[in-house]
Amino acid sequence: DAGVIQSPRHEVTEMGQEVTLRCKPISGHDYLFWYRQTMMRGLELLIYFNNNVPIDDSGMPEDRFSAKMPNASFSTLKIQPSEPRDSAVYFCASSFLGGELFFGEGSRLTVL
Amino acid sequence: GQQVMQIPQYQHVQEGEDFTTYCNSSTTLSNIQWYKQRPGGHPVFLIQLVKSGEVKKQKRLTFQFGEAKKNSSLHITATQTTDVGTYFCAGRYNQGGKLIFGQGTELSVKP
Repeated sequence: DAGVIQSPRHEVTEMGQEVTLRCKPISGHDYLFWYRQTMMRGLELLIYFNNNVPIDDSGMPEDRFSAKMPNASFSTLKIQPSEPRDSAVYFCASSFLGGELFFGEGSRLTVL
Repeated sequence: GQQVMQIPQYQHVQEGEDFTTYCNSSTTLSNIQWYKQRPGGHPVFLIQLVKSGEVKKQKRLTFQFGEAKKNSSLHITATQTTDVGTYFCAGRYNQGGKLIFGQGTELSVKP
């Protein structure tokens, strides 16, 4: 079985550009999570969905961040405009019935 | 707010020594999970604890959930170089709710 698939694996962009991160959860999973990992702040929950519906987005830093889940097999996290402080590894994870999380390999974002 | 505190932040041990990391929440947890992240990798699930006072073992790893369901620990006996990585606890306050990660404990093992 394929695990959680994230793209791109690495992204280098300039300040002010739009960034879109993509995630394909494990088939059949009903929860999807977006986390951000930095040395300073650790693993922060940004937003999570249940059955494609956003449940809690209180971790989204500001209006520059938005996330969507148009169907059960796809989610995006968008940053517009991007800033250097957004540089981090962004993880997508999925789970079934709120059980263990399966993480993707992560998307390493560098904003210059 | 809901927060899970984890200590220590770093632990350096000699191979063969034991290692313990602790997690604490100010409010009662529904359950707690533990993950391991190797350098450059992604977090990988180790175990979930649900019941008050629960103890689970996986080979050299022992996981405990406190009686009040506010704290948890992971103990590794006789560490090996393959144990290197960052260990995270993650607490859930409501069944099916969001999972809040502790800051992690980075373990290094000197051969």
